[in-house]
Amino acid sequence: AQTVTQSQPEMSVQEAETVTLSCTYDTSESDYYLFWYKQPPSRQMILVIRQEAYKQQNATENRFSVNFQKAAKSFSLKISDSQLGDAAMYFCAYRTYTGANSKLTFGKGITLSVRP
Amino acid sequence: KAGVTQTPRYLIKTRGQQVTLSCSPISGHRSVSWYQQTPGQGLQFLFEYFSETQRNKGNFPGRFSGRQFSNSRSEMNVSTLELGDSALYLCASVEGTRRPTDTQYFGPGTRLTVL
Repeated sequence: AQTVTQSQPEMSVQEAETVTLSCTYDTSESDYYLFWYKQPPSRQMILVIRQEAYKQQNATENRFSVNFQKAAKSFSLKISDSQLGDAAMYFCAYRTYTGANSKLTFGKGITLSVRP
Repeated sequence: KAGVTQTPRYLIKTRGQQVTLSCSPISGHRSVSWYQQTPGQGLQFLFEYFSETQRNKGNFPGRFSGRQFSNSRSEMNVSTLELGDSALYLCASVEGTRRPTDTQYFGPGTRLTVL
């Protein structure tokens, strides 16, 4: 079974600084997709960034980038120039599109606070 | 386009009762997934519906059921409520093509409290 592990329950970052959120996963599949979702205090979950496992190049979206290490099954999120609006819960998630395992599997999440 | 809507937003029930939650996906989206979010267990997948058919199911007891209508709106039902069913129930809408570009768009959730 696929599992996603986020070992840090909470992190804090100074405004304008950079922070890295860690995530590891376990799977026997070769073709899958990894995601970071953000859930602000208002609770509406939104997609931050997506990475296809077959792509070697790390995904980037403005201030958000990932460090995808397929062999190590590691998928960390880097937030540059942190802003107050980045304060939220962040979930790492995994998905494959084959068969019965085609569902999003989430990690436990990490609460990120941003200090002004 | 309007986003994913879920009704009601808040619900208080007592043990033994049943409850029905509703989700209206984004227009044109044919797939709806449901998740249960609790502080202890995090986000857990309940089920996925596509074109009125259940396409995938998580590891929840039979008290949890769902369905999808021809207009893609979905409902989930929990019978014989237990205290442990207190959670935020999230619905996610997606086109349903299962292409990698498919993105799940989440609703605001329904907060269920069981007393």
